[in-house]
Amino acid sequence: EAGVAQSPRYKIIEKRQSVAFWCNPISGHATLYWYQQILGQGPKLLIQFQNNGVVDDSQLPKDRFSAERLKGVDSTLKIQPAKLEDSAVYLCASSSGRYQETQYFGPGTRLLVL
Amino acid sequence: AQSVTQPDIHITVSEGASLELRCNYSYGATPYLFWYVQSPGQGLQLLLKYFSGDTLVQGIKGFEAEFKRSQSSFNLRKPSVHWSDAAEYFCAVGAGSSNTGKLIFGQGTTLQVKP
Repeated sequence: EAGVAQSPRYKIIEKRQSVAFWCNPISGHATLYWYQQILGQGPKLLIQFQNNGVVDDSQLPKDRFSAERLKGVDSTLKIQPAKLEDSAVYLCASSSGRYQETQYFGPGTRLLVL
Repeated sequence: AQSVTQPDIHITVSEGASLELRCNYSYGATPYLFWYVQSPGQGLQLLLKYFSGDTLVQGIKGFEAEFKRSQSSFNLRKPSVHWSDAAEYFCAVGAGSSNTGKLIFGQGTTLQVKP
């Protein structure tokens, strides 16, 4: 079974530029999560989708971050404009259901904002 | 508010020695607890999880963890560490008002294994 796929793996941009990350979850997984992991910290949930609907985006900085999962499968997370403090690893995870099912994580996208 | 504390940022053990990584949580209801491992450049891999029942949970790679409600702890243990266990370990609690599946992670413990 293929795991969670993410691209790109690495991205370097200058502040105020925009960037987009892509995630393809495990086939059949209804729930998709985006986490932000700043160096030296644990991952923090940015947004959670159940199929193509948003379940939780309470910690998403909506003035600059956006995410979509239009067909309930793959997802895109965008940052516009980027700030220095957005430098982090962005992890995508998926699970088969909503209630504490195991979350499977992708390898992440490492973003550096200069 | 829910939170997870991993008191040890960095631990070094000798290969073959026993290991215990500490985790304390704050959660009002019965928690769902997880341990994940992250190797350099890799995503997180689930080691084990506790939902209910037996408080001693067995996981992959020879790891186990014990849930102690009275101490609000969920410590990870391994009787004999291998060099390949060097990685970062995260404890997490399942939170969310409607069991949404949201995980709250601790800040992680980096494990170094000496030969």
